[in-house]
Amino acid sequence: EPEVTQTPSHQVTQMGQEVILRCVPISNHLYFYWYRQILGQKVEFLVSFYNNEISEKSEIFDDQFSVERPDGSNFTLKIRSTKLEDSAMYFCASSKDGVTTGELFFGEGSRLTVL
Amino acid sequence: SQQGEEDPQALSIQEGENATMNCSYKTSINNLQWYRQNSGRGLVHLILIRSNEREKHSGRLRVTLDTSKKSSSLLITASRAADTASYFCATDPNTGNQFYFGTGTSLTVIP
Repeated sequence: EPEVTQTPSHQVTQMGQEVILRCVPISNHLYFYWYRQILGQKVEFLVSFYNNEISEKSEIFDDQFSVERPDGSNFTLKIRSTKLEDSAMYFCASSKDGVTTGELFFGEGSRLTVL
Repeated sequence: SQQGEEDPQALSIQEGENATMNCSYKTSINNLQWYRQNSGRGLVHLILIRSNEREKHSGRLRVTLDTSKKSSSLLITASRAADTASYFCATDPNTGNQFYFGTGTSLTVIP
């Protein structure tokens, strides 16, 4: 069964360092998302992406964050200069039809620890 | 914020009992979905109910939606220990390409 894959599964970084989290969405999906979840807390929307551009972003997704789909298969989230409060689990998700059918397929997440 | 709120925050029941979780949201929606998350794992889609539907079933799951009250409930019948997980409702507002998740209900089913 097709699945969303994320790498790395866990990354530890020093505050101020740049981090890139990678995702390979399901191949025929057109809508891509990043969410984050601070340990044991709610799942927070970061950004949605369609047709090679950001379609929505939350207030969390400030200038330190960026997304890219560099090669038609990968979907990356970059955090330019990490802060302690960026420590969280980051989930990538994809959807075939976006809000029309509504089902999101999630990866297993990348745990980011900022020291 | 559009984010839903689930209640209770935590629920502990005996195997075989039914579990009911509720979700409330703030603005009009196209559809509402429920997801499950095992500890430390990604979210898995369970069921979707559209704004013009009132009830939907899938196996041991029953979802209701009351758009006048902006609320939904998820019922898991005949619970099993393997149902232990967190359950989230998610909504998509009528505008935009995004899904908002609630705060989740942590369900523990005791064997």
